[in-house]
Amino acid sequence: KAGVTQTPRYLIKTRGQQVTLSCSPISGHRSVSWYQQTPGQGLQFLFEYFSETQRNKGNFPGRFSGRQFSNSRSEMNVSTLELGDSALYLCASSFGQGAFEQYFGPGTRLTVT
Amino acid sequence: DAKTTQPPSMDCAEGRAANLPCNHSTISGNEYVYWYRQIHSQGPQYIIHGLKNNETNEMASLIITEDRKSSTLILPHATLRDTAVYYCIVRVAGNSGGATNKLIFGTGTLLAVQP
Repeated sequence: KAGVTQTPRYLIKTRGQQVTLSCSPISGHRSVSWYQQTPGQGLQFLFEYFSETQRNKGNFPGRFSGRQFSNSRSEMNVSTLELGDSALYLCASSFGQGAFEQYFGPGTRLTVT
Repeated sequence: DAKTTQPPSMDCAEGRAANLPCNHSTISGNEYVYWYRQIHSQGPQYIIHGLKNNETNEMASLIITEDRKSSTLILPHATLRDTAVYYCIVRVAGNSGGATNKLIFGTGTLLAVQP
C-alpha cells in the first residue's frame, strides 16, 4: 500500500506570495491533518479534515487555510507569505477521527525569502 | 501546551535496551498514551499506544504505571537507525467522546544510539 505523498517536496517563495501544498492520504483513509514544524516552535497542529469538513483548527492566522476533496486528498494554502512561514509542512492521514494510528508524509520544505 | 514531560536527550549503546521515560501526571481517564518518533528531516512515525495495560509490538514495549501518571517506552535492542527524537503524547482516541486526530507534540527526547 502506498504511503502518504506530499507535493511538492521543496518550494522557494518570496514574501507576499501565496503557496498551495498538496497531500494525498493512504488509500481508504478519510482523515487528513496538517502540521507545521519549525526549529523554534517545533511541531504545531494546523488543522484536521474528515469527510471534506474541517473538524479542528490550530492557533494560526487566517492566512493559513485548507480544504479536503471528495477523494480525501487535501490542500493547504498560505497567503501573503512571511519569512516566519518557512518551515517543514507535514500531513498525516488516518482511517477516521480518533484513529489510533496516524501516518505522516515526508513533508514539504517551504523556504520564504 | 503539551501535557507530557520528557528529558531532552538520552544516550544508549547499540544493542542495549533504550528506556525512554515520560511524565503525564494530568492525564485524563479517557486519554491514551502515544509514542511517535521522528528521524531527522522525515515525518513522524507512529510507534505504539496504550491506555492502562502494558503493550508490546514489533517495534517497542510500552510500560504504563498503575496510576497512569508516567510511562516508559522500551526499545529492546537499540540500533543506530533508532537515533531519533521520540515524542510522548496523550490524547483522546477511539470511540470516546471528544476523540480527535489532533496531536500536541512537546519537545521530545533526542535518543542518540552510540556504536
